[in-house]
Amino acid sequence: DIVMTQTPLSLSVTPGQPASISCKSSQSLLHSDGKTYLYWYLQKPGQPPQLLIYEVSNRFSGVPDRFSGSGSGTDFTLKISRVEAEDVGVYYCMQSIQLPLFTFGPGTKVDIK
Amino acid sequence: EVQLVESGGGLVQPGGSLRLSCAASGFTFSSYSMNWVRQAPGKGLEWVSYISSSSSTIYYADSVKGRFTISRDNAKNSLYLQMNSLRAEDTAVYYCARTGYWDIWGQGTMVTVSS
Repeated sequence: DIVMTQTPLSLSVTPGQPASISCKSSQSLLHSDGKTYLYWYLQKPGQPPQLLIYEVSNRFSGVPDRFSGSGSGTDFTLKISRVEAEDVGVYYCMQSIQLPLFTFGPGTKVDIK
Repeated sequence: EVQLVESGGGLVQPGGSLRLSCAASGFTFSSYSMNWVRQAPGKGLEWVSYISSSSSTIYYADSVKGRFTISRDNAKNSLYLQMNSLRAEDTAVYYCARTGYWDIWGQGTMVTVSS
């Protein structure tokens, strides 16, 4: 099974400041079709996860451009250029290359200082 | 509006059964594979089960294999999860989610297994 790890597990950020979350997978997420199946989600309190980034770096419809994803192979990063109060919640990375064993990272809790 | 709506959760005793449903609307349900994902209280996300668009391919997490059964009815735009032999560790919010970009999730339904 592919194991996903995230660092840090919690993050306290001053509004307007940047934030960065790392996600590492135990195996490469690069598929033979050329795509890398790494996703980022934000789960706000009491809500289901909402997709932010798909296939490493593609911002989903409606997601503010302060969110960006990067990385390749086994190492990935989610960056928030300027954190806003509405960005609080738990951020998860997820891999879907290893059908059917989709796995999520443990989550990174982000709050505002 | 594209949406998924789960139902069927509740309180059940250990060893009991429940059937969860997920009603899809706003998209061509029969064209998408679907999943159940759960989240125990205060914990992270755990994938539970996958079903292909035609029901020809089905997978389960080891933690539920042999106890849970996923199914779908494309004519009714519905996804199901039959849960038998429930254990305390199955207590969680259960979400249905559309594969592809994993962009559509339901609001979840709470399952509590307790005596």
